[in-house]
Amino acid sequence: AQSVAQPEDQVNVAEGNPLTVKCTYSVSGNPYLFWYVQYPNRGLQFLLKYITGDNLVKGSYGFEAEFNKSQTSFHLKKPSALVSDSALYFCAVRDLPDAGNMLTFGGGTRLMVKP
Amino acid sequence: DSGVTQTPKHLITATGQRVTLRCSPRSGDLSVYWYQQSLDQGLQFLIQYYNGEERAKGNILERFSAQQFPDLHSELNLSSLELGDSALYFCASSVKAGQETQYFGPGTRLLVL
Repeated sequence: AQSVAQPEDQVNVAEGNPLTVKCTYSVSGNPYLFWYVQYPNRGLQFLLKYITGDNLVKGSYGFEAEFNKSQTSFHLKKPSALVSDSALYFCAVRDLPDAGNMLTFGGGTRLMVKP
Repeated sequence: DSGVTQTPKHLITATGQRVTLRCSPRSGDLSVYWYQQSLDQGLQFLIQYYNGEERAKGNILERFSAQQFPDLHSELNLSSLELGDSALYFCASSVKAGQETQYFGPGTRLLVL
């Protein structure tokens, strides 16, 4: 079975500092990985995805993620955090192809960026 | 704005009742997905429809059912509601049924009293 782990419930970072939100995954085949962000009282917004190709994926709002096959990780990064980046971040993996396109989500990491 | 719409935004009902949640996918998207977000279970996939047919099923209770109509909008029916069904229900859509990106609606917050 596919699974995703986000080992940190919360990440605190000062505005202007780099941020990293961690994600590790377990799949039986090739991983299709996604990051979404959820602001209070809003739906999930797509940030970026890795399907194949370059291990460094660039996404919306200056975010990027690094795919590391040997460490089975897909950490989300941003060089300089903004207070407005404070939100709940979810890593997700696409399940087996013959089971449709359903996403398995991690538990989420709350990012707090302090001025 | 993702282009996925969900109604209603909020729903308050009593145990034992039945409710219907509605979702309109982005223009041109053929696949619709339903997810449940709760404090204890996190974000869980419920069911997927592709062009009117059920494509995949996740942890969906037998009391819950869904369908996708010819105009591609979808409805999630929740019956014999229990307190534990209180959650945020998201609909998402994608172009096809493969590894395309899923775009999420704003959700329907259900409170069962």
